[in-house]
Amino acid sequence: DGGITQSPKYLFRKEGQNVTLSCEQNLNHDAMYWYRQDPGQGLRLIYYSQIVNDFQKGDIAEGYSVSREKKESFPLTVTSAQKNPTAFYLCASSRTGVTEKLFFGSGTQLSVL
Amino acid sequence: AQSVTQLDSQVPVFEEAPVELRCNYSSSVSVYLFWYVQYPNQGLQLLLKYLSGSTLVKGINGFEAEFNKSQTSFHLRKPSVHISDTAEYFCAVIQPLQGAQKLVFGQGTRLTINP
Repeated sequence: DGGITQSPKYLFRKEGQNVTLSCEQNLNHDAMYWYRQDPGQGLRLIYYSQIVNDFQKGDIAEGYSVSREKKESFPLTVTSAQKNPTAFYLCASSRTGVTEKLFFGSGTQLSVL
Repeated sequence: AQSVTQLDSQVPVFEEAPVELRCNYSSSVSVYLFWYVQYPNQGLQLLLKYLSGSTLVKGINGFEAEFNKSQTSFHLRKPSVHISDTAEYFCAVIQPLQGAQKLVFGQGTRLTINP
């Protein structure tokens, strides 16, 4: 079945540690997105990529980094510079852009130890 | 910039009752509007979208929404809800971003269905 796979489902970060969240899609979509979800705040865009080897910052990119070396993969690294990383992280993809339907993964819950 | 406001953070209703989840948008240009649903501990799924054409949009699971330009609203409705409709619902609008476009989400409305 085609879809988006996020791993791990739960992740714990120690202070000063970088952690990487995985996002893989087999939908042959060009565009991929990372969102952060906090209770009562909806979803906020961290980074997005419209094509391989290219990505742009969203609204809250500080303390995060991404790469897009392969069409199917868009990993997100939460760096030690992100002082409040506890949140639910959602990866999404679409065929071309946001007017197309976004397909979401099932999310990664990141917590700080 | 375009944005959306979901007027209710929580909406409790009884099973088989009708429901309306309210969404207002602000925009001075062409508007593209969406409703997504998030079931517990899952990602989001598209319910319906309005890009152009008929102002009444029908989506999955018996939901529909009406685009009202004069009231800048895009309320989501269902005539009879089921327990399985318990979820969080997000209204979203497209906003320009660095030569591309992004989806801007509202804060969400938690729909709780009581038996």
